[in-house]
Amino acid sequence: GDSVTQTEGLVTLTEGLPVMLNCTYQSTYSPFLFWYVQHLNEAPKLLLKSFTDNKRPEHQGFHATLHKSSSSFHLQKSSAQLSDSALYYCALSHNAGAKLTFGGGTRLTVRP
Amino acid sequence: AQTIHQWPVAEIKAVGSPLSLGCTIKGKSSPNLYWYWQATGGTLQQLFYSITVGQVESVVQLNLSASRPKDDQFILSTEKLLLSHSGFYLCAWSLGTTSAETLYFGSGTRLTVL
Repeated sequence: GDSVTQTEGLVTLTEGLPVMLNCTYQSTYSPFLFWYVQHLNEAPKLLLKSFTDNKRPEHQGFHATLHKSSSSFHLQKSSAQLSDSALYYCALSHNAGAKLTFGGGTRLTVRP
Repeated sequence: AQTIHQWPVAEIKAVGSPLSLGCTIKGKSSPNLYWYWQATGGTLQQLFYSITVGQVESVVQLNLSASRPKDDQFILSTEKLLLSHSGFYLCAWSLGTTSAETLYFGSGTRLTVL
């Protein structure tokens, strides 16, 4: 079956430093990959998702590149902001309308 | 614009008591609907999904059931709550036409079972 692994449960950074959150996946099919962000006491919402044409998705300064050879979809940002503190989930889907498989989540804390 | 409304916002219930959580989606015809559960400090776990009225598929067995009595309504329920049911319950919708569809979450219901 499908699985998504986020190796870091907790990442703490100083404001202004680069962000990289790891995501690797296993799937029998060629899946779509997503990053969802959940701020404290809020519902998760989409941050970005992979494209079929290998373009690099970007949103709010974050970007991620789907590397099929290494089954990875790491999330990156060049400079962390305090407002980036949140829980980040990587997820995959290959079966329209059926199931979105989430990773364990990475809690990012950005300190001044 | 589509809106998703979950009720109640929070519940405190006793072990063994019944539960019913609801979700309504407005502004979108025949969406795919989902129930997710998030234990405190845990990941998002899909419980059920539905692609049409009257049809619900179970993904994880947690002694819960779900129903879709109307196109825009999704209900999560159980007759007997367990302590392990505590957590954050999220309803979500998507177009469901392709695998790249975005999932839109409601604001959730926080359930505490004592």
